[in-house]
Amino acid sequence: GESVGLHLPTLSVQEGDNSIINCAYSNSASDYFIWYKQESGKGPQFIIDIRSNMDKRQGQRVTVLLNKTVKHLSLQIAATQPGDSAVYFCAENAGNNRKLIWGLGTSLGVNP
Amino acid sequence: EPEVTQTPSHQVTQMGQEVILRCVPISNHLYFYWYRQILGQKVEFLVSFYNNEISEKSEIFDDQFSVERPDGSNFTLKIRSTKLEDSAMYFCACRGQETQYFGPGTRLLVL
Repeated sequence: GESVGLHLPTLSVQEGDNSIINCAYSNSASDYFIWYKQESGKGPQFIIDIRSNMDKRQGQRVTVLLNKTVKHLSLQIAATQPGDSAVYFCAENAGNNRKLIWGLGTSLGVNP
Repeated sequence: EPEVTQTPSHQVTQMGQEVILRCVPISNHLYFYWYRQILGQKVEFLVSFYNNEISEKSEIFDDQFSVERPDGSNFTLKIRSTKLEDSAMYFCACRGQETQYFGPGTRLLVL
């Protein structure tokens, strides 16, 4: 069946360090992947996306890597800041209606 | 920057009562979605809506649920007879091209 899951439920890093959040997916037909950030009491906020014809995409302080061979996604956050503390979800997008299939989320905590 | 808005932010209701959750999507987006997130669990797809009709729905979206776009701007989710297990955050989302943008959610508590 379809599923998206995260390897690490919690991650704690020091301010200024780099963070890496991992995600596994199982639907090889998925062609689009998104990382969302969710702060407490708020809706998911788009961070970065990547299509299946790419293996890397960079944004401001964030990089997403896609390894289709092992069905693995990662989100790298450079110079992690206290404002990055949140739950991070990867989601995959498949099918004509483009519904999102979500993982469980990784809680990122940043220590000052 | 355009954003998705949802009302109310919180709703407390008695079991068996009807609730209507409202969303105002980004104005030029044509695809609309509802998701829910039970506390501590992952986000779950409920329904997608395009061209004034449901394009896909999940097993959660049973006969107690309905959606409509009554006036070309609002997008609503109705639960006819709420159950305790309907307590969750409900998120509206919309997309123009590929990316789905989410509203802040409505926290529904069924007592």
